Amino acid sequence: EAQVTQNPRYLITVTGKKLTVTCSQNMNHEYMSWYRQDPGLGLRQIYYSMNVEVTDKGDVPEGYKVSRKEKRNFPLILESPSPNQTSLYFCASSLQLLWEQYFGPGTRLTVT
Amino acid sequence: QKEVEQNSGPLSVPEGAIASLNCTYSDRGSQSFFWYRQYSGKSPELIMFIYSNGDKEDGRFTAQLNKASQYVSLLIRDSQPSDSATYLCAVEGGKLIFGQGTELSVKP
Repeated sequence: EAQVTQNPRYLITVTGKKLTVTCSQNMNHEYMSWYRQDPGLGLRQIYYSMNVEVTDKGDVPEGYKVSRKEKRNFPLILESPSPNQTSLYFCASSLQLLWEQYFGPGTRLTVT
Repeated sequence: QKEVEQNSGPLSVPEGAIASLNCTYSDRGSQSFFWYRQYSGKSPELIMFIYSNGDKEDGRFTAQLNKASQYVSLLIRDSQPSDSATYLCAVEGGKLIFGQGTELSVKP
């Protein structure tokens, strides 16, 4: 089954404790991105990747890191999480930049 | 800052009525426009895309694009309770930019 998977689905952590949210797709898509969704603000892009080893900042990259060492994986790293990073995070992939985005199930992160 | 604006709603329509969802965008150079549906607690899924001025129909859904006025809309005919969801407009502006979404509630 073609899909984007994210782990964990739910995470409660404390300020400053490094965490990684994994994202994997099995569709051989070149384009992957991370979004955060907050009430009233919609989906805002954090980082995106056009291909392996090619990543770039989206609209809200501060406090986040990404890497793309393999085509299928695009982890999101929070080196020192803060409460303002409490949000719902979605990973998405597509064959090319402006084609249909396939979203993962989401990761709800709470930073206390 | 390129922007995409939607009425947050909630928009409430009775079952069987036409639901009209609107979206305006700021980048005149945008060429591609998408509508995603997001059920509560779920991830967004693509329901329509449109590239050319005019209407594009797919079943009960019609996307309308007016580049001169910089708006794109989604019409849902014969609305069903199962259409109750948040609808996200996304506009290509060098990258994909999402609006904040419009919550639609279809009452039986």
